[in-house]
Amino acid sequence: DQQVKQNSPSLSVQEGRISILNCDYTNSMFDYFLWYKKYPAEGPTFLISISSIKDKNEDGRFTVFLNKSAKHLSLHIVPSQPGDSAVYFCAASNNNDMRFGAGTRLTVKP
Amino acid sequence: NAGVMQNPRHLVRRRGQEARLRCSPMKGHSHVYWYRQLPEEGLKFMVYLQKENIIDESGMPKERFSAEFPKEGPSILRIQQVVRGDSAAYFCASSQKQGFQPQHFGDGTRLSIL
Repeated sequence: DQQVKQNSPSLSVQEGRISILNCDYTNSMFDYFLWYKKYPAEGPTFLISISSIKDKNEDGRFTVFLNKSAKHLSLHIVPSQPGDSAVYFCAASNNNDMRFGAGTRLTVKP
Repeated sequence: NAGVMQNPRHLVRRRGQEARLRCSPMKGHSHVYWYRQLPEEGLKFMVYLQKENIIDESGMPKERFSAEFPKEGPSILRIQQVVRGDSAAYFCASSQKQGFQPQHFGDGTRLSIL
């Protein structure tokens, strides 16, 4: 069951431009959403999160947007840097469950 | 380094053998989660444990797989009679608070079945 979907397996962006990673979910019971970043041969690292009571959360170059009616969230990275190249997983959770998307591989070209 | 520690990093087993994967949570964390990542797929939740208790094992296969988190020592994910389909990266995460809040992940154990 694919309760969390990241429909773009990969994304390539020029350094300095904006990266937009998208995520859709189906379960309206999810109330907390997270983005993780993963480098090869390492575990995922927590990046940023958002509660369902908000529609935006910003942390430096990273902003997460939540559209509850559309059950959609996105991660914006601006400006993108080569070091941002990694696989990004979105996750949706409530107290009883957490589901991850399949990931989007972001490549930032110098 | 007080991060989540998993060992071994790589484990090779032949079909039918047992695999034991270990996870030491971050200091002060009493909640442990195990995930499996198959090639080209996302992280699939397997089990959530607190000290000496399994809280949620809804993602765990019913047979051959078991997990524990004893009062003393690391959490163990045990796979008996491994098959080729068990080949995957297994990640452990820990958190301080109850529930699926931001978790800190280990670097995973890559299990290969010959």
